[in-house]
Formats: sequence, C-alpha cells, structure tokens
Amino acid sequence: GESVGLHLPTLSVQEGDNSIINCAYSNSASDYFIWYKQESGKGPQFIIDIRSNMDKRQGQRVTVLLNKTVKHLSLQIAATQPGDSAVYFCAERNSGNTPLVFGKGTRLSVIA
Amino acid sequence: NAGVTQTPKFRILKIGQSMTLQCTQDMNHNYMYWYRQDPGMGLKLIYYSVGAGITDKGEVPNGYNVSRSTTEDFPLRLELAAPSQTSVYFCASRSQSGGEQYFGPGTRLTVT
Repeated sequence: GESVGLHLPTLSVQEGDNSIINCAYSNSASDYFIWYKQESGKGPQFIIDIRSNMDKRQGQRVTVLLNKTVKHLSLQIAATQPGDSAVYFCAERNSGNTPLVFGKGTRLSVIA
Repeated sequence: NAGVTQTPKFRILKIGQSMTLQCTQDMNHNYMYWYRQDPGMGLKLIYYSVGAGITDKGEVPNGYNVSRSTTEDFPLRLELAAPSQTSVYFCASRSQSGGEQYFGPGTRLTVT
C-alpha cells in the first residue's frame, strides 16, 4: 500500500547551521505533501505544504522541495535555532478526500 | 477560535473498562480524524469522517468506534480497553478545500 518513510530517524545540528530533513514516498499518485513539527507532549503543528504541481515552496526560514521523479521530499530549515528541536513528520495524500498518510518522523536536536 | 479541543488530557483505564475520548472543533470543518501515536512512532489513522453522519475506517480501527452526529463533534469510543491501546490519541480536522489538518493537543491513555 501507500507508504511514506524517512531516511534519517535522528539528526543533530549546530545552532545556526542549516538542517535538511528527507522523506521518501512510494505512491506516485500523491498530489499533496505536508510537513509537521511535533514538540514533546504536544500535537503536530503545520510547517509548510506543497502540491504536486510545484517543485519548491518557501516559508519563513523553511523550504520544502519536491522531486516527483524520485519520489522524494525534503524540508530545509535555515539558521536552525534551539526552538526548532522537535520531531518532524512528512505526510502525503493522493486525493482530496483521503486522509494524510504519515511517515515515522525524524528527531531534530539542535546543539547550542 | 479554540481550534480542535480534546478531553480528557490524561486517563488511566483498567483492562476491560470503556471510555469515550471527546473531540470538538469550532472551525466548521467537514473532515475529522482520529490518530494514535505510540511512543517514538508516527501517527496511525484509526477512523475518519468526511461529514456529519459519515465515518470510515482507517489503518487501525479494531477495538474502537466513532460517531459523527454533528459537524463539531467526533467522539472516539473504546469498548473493552486492552493494554495494546495504551497510546496518545490525536484528533484532527480540516476544511473540504484546505490541505492542512489541524490537530488537537492529544489524550494520553494508559491501560493497565
């Protein structure tokens, strides 16, 4: 069935460096992708999303890149801060009515 | 708007007991979802609803029931609690045209 996975379960970065979190998806019919941030003891919070008709989308300090050829999604965080420490999930959906399918998550630790 | 609210925040159940996890959203969203998250894992979909009176099974529906009598409320029922249902439960909602799912703060359930 559909699956969304992550290449790296944990990632440690120095404060101020850029972070890149990767995600692979298997369903070529997916047309919507989203990144969530989950801090300890809280629910997932929206970071950024992208539709399949785009390759790149930028937000404040975050960029999502979509490579449909290799079915790969990445989240880039510029100038990583201690407050960015959290677990990051990618998720995908393959039609307007279907629920999001979540990957396992990557824990980002920022070293001060 | 309060967004998505969940009650209770924490609950301890004995094996065989039953309970209802409450979820309410005040954004007039058609779509609502229940996920469970086991320690160190991603989110698994239990049930979802695309509108009042309509519910569908997700990936892990066994042991749970839902109802959607109003747009605002989407309660999750555990009839015979089992230790395997120890988890954190998240409710989410989204609008019909929107992509992002908004999550509640979660209910931490322990079954002993």
